[in-house]
Amino acid sequence: GIQVEQSPPDLILQEGANSTLRCNFSDSVNNLQWFHQNPWGQLINLFYIPSGTKQNGRLSATTVATERYSLLYISSSQTTDSGVYFCAVDRDSGTYKYIFGTGTRLKVLA
Amino acid sequence: GAGVSQSPSNKVTEKGKDVELRCDPISGHTALYWYRQSLGQGLEFLIYFQGNSAPDKSGLPSDRFSAERTGGSVSTLTIQRTQQEDSAVYLCASSSGQSSYEQYFGPGTRLTVT
Repeated sequence: GIQVEQSPPDLILQEGANSTLRCNFSDSVNNLQWFHQNPWGQLINLFYIPSGTKQNGRLSATTVATERYSLLYISSSQTTDSGVYFCAVDRDSGTYKYIFGTGTRLKVLA
Repeated sequence: GAGVSQSPSNKVTEKGKDVELRCDPISGHTALYWYRQSLGQGLEFLIYFQGNSAPDKSGLPSDRFSAERTGGSVSTLTIQRTQQEDSAVYLCASSSGQSSYEQYFGPGTRLTVT
């Protein structure tokens, strides 16, 4: 089946720093989402981005589907950005079930 | 409703008992998904509904797990004869299933089997 790898697995930042999270996938995909799982376990939608570039405030994302990767950029990080960031993809199979990456655990220090 | 809701938020049960977990999707969403997240792990797909039918049950870990959806809305995930390895957070998501396949997740049910 499709493999989804995220890097880095863990990241510690000082407040105000920028970072780039990466998601590599091993096969063509139909849909791709980035989620932030907060410390209470809630999955929060960040971007639905099967291709192209999107921006939302301090966050932006780029997916290059032909090269099978997506990037999530966090600028001017805040302590509230702490948590786990997941990339999820679904194969062009018509069932739309997501395969999740292993996540990047981010801790932002004040 | 405004978002996906799940109940109960926490469930502690004894090994061997049956449990039912409930998911209320976003109103009008035709697609509904169940996932499981074990402690410190990523999410694992369990089952997908389009309307009331389940075209993909491939993720159900054993025949002790079943799910149904009625009226194209509420879904129930049932685990029979629970085992300790069933302890996890069970997450439900929905999507419109038509113009967009963006999935929206509920807060989850934390199941602990003692």
